[in-house]
Amino acid sequence: KQEVTQIPAALSVPEGENLVLNCSFTDSAIYNLQWFRQDPGKGLTSLLLIQSSQREQTSGRLNASLDKSSGRSTLYIAASQPGDSATYLCAVRRTQGGSEKLVFGKGTKLTVNP
Amino acid sequence: GAGVSQSPSNKVTEKGKDVELRCDPISGHTALYWYRQSLGQGLEFLIYFQGNSAPDKSGLPSDRFSAERTGGSVSTLTIQRTQQEDSAVYLCASRTDGNTIYFGEGSWLTVV
Repeated sequence: KQEVTQIPAALSVPEGENLVLNCSFTDSAIYNLQWFRQDPGKGLTSLLLIQSSQREQTSGRLNASLDKSSGRSTLYIAASQPGDSATYLCAVRRTQGGSEKLVFGKGTKLTVNP
Repeated sequence: GAGVSQSPSNKVTEKGKDVELRCDPISGHTALYWYRQSLGQGLEFLIYFQGNSAPDKSGLPSDRFSAERTGGSVSTLTIQRTQQEDSAVYLCASRTDGNTIYFGEGSWLTVV
């Protein structure tokens, strides 16, 4: 059974700091991995998607890496801003027998202080 | 529409009543998912639709839950005889043959 763990559960940093969020998964047979952010009372917004054959993806101040062999992904946020405050979720996508699922971690709640 | 649309956005219902939650996926998206997010919990898979294939209902927590997708587009999640433990945010997502999955804003269900 695929399990996804995110560490830390919560993180508070001063504005301008670079930071890393961690995601680990137990089964390396994944199709891809996607990072989302969730603001309070809102749905999920897709940030970055990494295919299983890729090592990293970048979008603006965000960089996500994937190491399938070790079952790890990191989300790097450069020069953090108060607007980055949200819960960050990683999800691995698995396909099996014509179906597919996203298995989510419980998220890292990020607070960026002005 | 531009994104995944869900309705109602908020629903308060009495224990024992039935509720219907609606999801309008992004036009042209063939895959549709329902997830549930309870307070303090992670996202729980409920059901997956792909085109005309039989849906994967393995995540539905009990036979009080059912879902359908008409014409390969709009989906309805129905909860019969609601219980307090059904209180949660119900999230719908869709994708096309590309890989990025897009979520709606969710339907916030409170059973009193």
